[in-house]
Amino acid sequence: AQSVTQLDSQVPVFEEAPVELRCNYSSSVSVYLFWYVQYPNQGLQLLLKYLSGSTLVKGINGFEAEFNKSQTSFHLRKPSVHISDTAEYFCAVTTFSGNTGKLIFGQGTTLQVKP
Amino acid sequence: KAGVTQTPRYLIKTRGQQVTLSCSPISGHRSVSWYQQTPGQGLQFLFEYFSETQRNKGNFPGRFSGRQFSNSRSEMNVSTLELGDSALYLCASSGGLGDEQFFGPGTRLTVL
Repeated sequence: AQSVTQLDSQVPVFEEAPVELRCNYSSSVSVYLFWYVQYPNQGLQLLLKYLSGSTLVKGINGFEAEFNKSQTSFHLRKPSVHISDTAEYFCAVTTFSGNTGKLIFGQGTTLQVKP
Repeated sequence: KAGVTQTPRYLIKTRGQQVTLSCSPISGHRSVSWYQQTPGQGLQFLFEYFSETQRNKGNFPGRFSGRQFSNSRSEMNVSTLELGDSALYLCASSGGLGDEQFFGPGTRLTVL
């Protein structure tokens, strides 16, 4: 079975500062990894995904993440955050098992960007 | 392309009733997945349908069921509602292996 742990439930940061949201996963098989963002009263929007290839993945809105297989991590980073980045962020994993219809999510990290 | 749509957006029911939620996937997508989101349990996978067949199922009681139609639209049903079923129910569609899931805005269910 797979599991995802987001190490911080809340991350407060000042505007224009860098941020890292941490995600570790557990799986006995190869996985696909995703980061989603959820703004209040909305569904989830994909920020970026890792399927294979380069371990550094660039996404939308200036976010990037690095897949580290040995540490089973997929941390999300942004060099300079904006007020508009305030939202809930979810790390998710699914397996290669012929379909990707079942995502396992972490508990989420609330990013609070302060002026 | 139109996104994933879910109806209704908000729903209030009382304990013991049943409810049906609807999801229309992005055109051409054959996989539809359902998730329950609550403050305590977070995002939990309910089930996935692909070409009218349930392909994956999460750890929810039999009161939670779903189906998919030939046009890929999906419905989920919850019977004998309990207070703990109050949640945001999210539907997502995808086009194939490795493809991202596109989420709808969700249906907010409140059980009184």
